[in-house]
Amino acid sequence: DIQMTQSPSSLSASVGDRVTITCRASQSISSYLNWFQHKPGKTPKLLIFGASSLQSGVPSRFSGSGSGTDFTLTISSLQPEDFATYFCQQTYTALYTFGQGTKLEIK
Amino acid sequence: EVQLVESGGGLVQPGGSLRLSCAASGFTFGSYRMHWVRQVPGKGRVWVSSIYSDGSRTIYDDSVKGRFTISRDNAKTTLYLQMNSLRAEDTAVYYCARDEPMAAGAFDIWGQGTMVTVSS
Repeated sequence: DIQMTQSPSSLSASVGDRVTITCRASQSISSYLNWFQHKPGKTPKLLIFGASSLQSGVPSRFSGSGSGTDFTLTISSLQPEDFATYFCQQTYTALYTFGQGTKLEIK
Repeated sequence: EVQLVESGGGLVQPGGSLRLSCAASGFTFGSYRMHWVRQVPGKGRVWVSSIYSDGSRTIYDDSVKGRFTISRDNAKTTLYLQMNSLRAEDTAVYYCARDEPMAAGAFDIWGQGTMVTVSS
C-alpha cells in the first residue's frame, strides 16, 4: 500500500497568516492527490483534487501544488472559518490511503 | 441537495454483526462508485471498501476482507456495509463517500458518519 505522511500533525496560526501543509507519498502517485477540510460535526469537504485543481465553490486562498511524491496545500491568508482539520488522500491506486491529518488551531 | 446519510451504528459485542446503511439523495446514485472509510477517534482515516456503480466489483482492505461485505441497491439509492465477526479494533466512525471520476477520483461527497463500538 502507498503510505501518506502528512506534516505537521498540528499547527497554530493567526488570522491573516500564510499556512503550508505537506503530504509525502511512499511512491510516486503522479498528481492523484486530494486535500480535504473537516470541521467537527460537519462532513469532510473536498478542497483540491488532482494536486492543484480547486473544487468548485472553494475560496481562491486555498491552493495545491506538487506531483510525484511531494505535495503542498497552502492557505494564503487564514480566515476565522479556516480553523479545522486538513487531510490528504491519494487516489492513484484503488487501495486508497489518507494522511493522518493536520489540526489547524488559532494562535 | 446532494447528501449521504449513514445509519446503523451502535454498540456490539466482539464476534457480533452489524449492518450499516448509507442513504443517498440529490444525485444519480447508480452512476457513481461508492466507498466506506473509517476513523478511530483521534486517528487518521482508513479506507475500508469500495463498490463499482453497478455492483459488479468490490474491493476490501485486508483488515476486513472475509468479514465485511459491501453492497448497494441502486433502486433504493442505498449503500450497505455488512460487518461480521466484529473485533475491538473495528471500533470507529464509519463514513460513506462518493468518488467523482472527473475530479481525479476524489471522494467529493461524504456522509456525517456513524459510530460503531465493539466492546463487551
